[in-house]
Amino acid sequence: ETGVTQSPTHLIKTRGQQVTLRCSSQSGHNTVSWYQQALGQGPQFIFQYYREEENGRGNFPPRFSGLQFPNYSSELNVNALELDDSALYLCASSLKEVNEKLFFGSGTQLSVL
Amino acid sequence: GESVGLHLPTLSVQEGDNSIINCAYSNSASDYFIWYKQESGKGPQFIIDIRSNMDKRQGQRVTVLLNKTVKHLSLQIAATQPGDSAVYFCAEIPYGGSQGNLIFGKGTKLSVKP
Repeated sequence: ETGVTQSPTHLIKTRGQQVTLRCSSQSGHNTVSWYQQALGQGPQFIFQYYREEENGRGNFPPRFSGLQFPNYSSELNVNALELDDSALYLCASSLKEVNEKLFFGSGTQLSVL
Repeated sequence: GESVGLHLPTLSVQEGDNSIINCAYSNSASDYFIWYKQESGKGPQFIIDIRSNMDKRQGQRVTVLLNKTVKHLSLQIAATQPGDSAVYFCAEIPYGGSQGNLIFGKGTKLSVKP
């Protein structure tokens, strides 16, 4: 186990709704990255947070937003959900100063109906 | 219509045999490569990494080979075990990038027959 925890594990929403996913990073880690993994695909980078600031973003629209808190935990918010947002959302933590490898949580499976 | 993404490349091997999983990466400027293992219901787990100034790196039962000329990466697993059954992803980090922003390949599903 990596020590990265995500909640909830599963979630069902309807199109147009908003969702918040949560991630607690591994102890000692200060950076959180979020990925979206569609069925049968590799994870795609959404964004990264370091010291409570967004520190890089992938090719995702502004309705995907995030937060990082002083304890380095993080939230991913998605507004105006679309059917194609159905995916596994993965959180990974790392220690930026040493560019340490990512430790992934088990993800939140989001289904949009 | 059919989604290509739903059909992962698969590799089926006999327990005890060696496995070789291949990956073609996209960016010649990529500086760092990582192999991840993802078991059902879990997030990706780091296996081994290699920098672009190397062509081979060995770990416990695993070896990664990098051929920059043809932009090809491979993962060799020795004496494959049932616990090795999973989807394997290669990931790259472009030069100057950080580990937070990995570019993942599509993955290969490894099935180990007892």
